Order: sequence, then structure tokens, then C-alpha cells
Amino acid sequence: AQSVAQPEDQVNVAEGNPLTVKCTYSVSGNPYLFWYVQYPNRGLQFLLKYITGDNLVKGSYGFEAEFNKSQTSFHLKKPSALVSDSALYFCAVGDYKLSFGAGTTVTVRA
Amino acid sequence: DAGITQSPRYKITETGRQVTLMCHQTWSHSYMFWYRQDLGHGLRLIYYSAAADITDKGEVPDGYVVSRSKTENFPLTLESATRSQTSVYFCASSEGIKNSPLHFGNGTRLTVT
Repeated sequence: AQSVAQPEDQVNVAEGNPLTVKCTYSVSGNPYLFWYVQYPNRGLQFLLKYITGDNLVKGSYGFEAEFNKSQTSFHLKKPSALVSDSALYFCAVGDYKLSFGAGTTVTVRA
Repeated sequence: DAGITQSPRYKITETGRQVTLMCHQTWSHSYMFWYRQDLGHGLRLIYYSAAADITDKGEVPDGYVVSRSKTENFPLTLESATRSQTSVYFCASSEGIKNSPLHFGNGTRLTVT
């Protein structure tokens, strides 16, 4: 069985501040982990994925994710948030078919 | 343009009616998926397909039927719609290689009255 948990429904940050969106996973075997972003009335867009051996993964739009095997976490980060980063973010796990978390709404205030 | 398209974007139907949501992709991806998105649940997998004529159930398949006669099309049918099937439905495709990302359509918002 595979699953991810996103412990925060909402994250609010000021523009220019660091942004972190949390995700923990549960999987047997190698973890295949992803982050997606969803803007209003749109489908999900792929941001980045975990690559075995790289604890810090870089993705689109300046986002990166930190993989921590001992804490079974895959947190999404951005050093300096923009107002345009306001969106719904999903963590997902799986090899062919993905299981998604409930999502975290990020609001970046000007 | 290459991509994945869903139709219709919005649909209102009545309880008990049959409704089909369409999904078409131009990448020739082997895998295709149907998810539903509901507040508080994230995305839940309804059905998926590894290739033409091969389909399998996901997490919430009850009340839904799929078919895949051609690689590029993966329609989802609600045989007798219920109010609990009011949701936003997303189709996705992938190359089917482990760790390959899913590519999503823009969704169909279905309301069952």
C-alpha cells in the first residue's frame, strides 16, 4: 500500500519569504515521489519528482524538494515566494499509478 | 496541438441519467487514468488503463465504466448518475515508465441534480 499525507490544509506566507509545503509518505520499497501544482480551473501541473540518490531535487518555477528517508518526508520548498505561487499543491507517490495527498492551499500575500 | 483534452468542460445532468466524459491524448502514451477531485479528499483514482483493451479498477470504481478501444481515447461513463458523483473529473496520461510524471487535462466539472 502507498499513501502520502499533507498535514497542513493551508500555508500563508509573505512575498519574498521562504515557502515550505510538507509531505510525508508511506510505501513499501523504493519511493517514487512527485509534487504537482493546480491553478484555479486547471488540471494539475508537474513540478518535480524524486530521483533516487538525490536528497535535494530541483524543479520548475524555482521550486525544490528535500527528501528525507529517515523521516519519510518529501517537503516542497521555495527560497523566496511570489504572489503568483498562490495555488493548490499536491504531493503524490507511486510508480505507474499515483496516490495523491489531500492538497495544501498556498497563499502568498504581497 | 499535442496534449490531453477533456470534454465537456462543464456538465449538468439529472440523477439516473447516463453520462460519458471524454478524454483524448495526442502523445500516444500507453497509460491513461481517471481521477475525481473532491474537497478534503484530494484526487482519487477511479480507473486506469495500461494499453488499449486493458483496464483496471482504482480506488473508487463503483458506478463507473471505462473502455479503451484506441490508445488515444479513454472515455468514462457514469451508467446511472447519483448526486455523490458530483465532482471534478480529471483525465491523465503517462509514458508508463516508472517515475514518469502524469500529464493532466483541464478537467470536467460534473453536477448531478
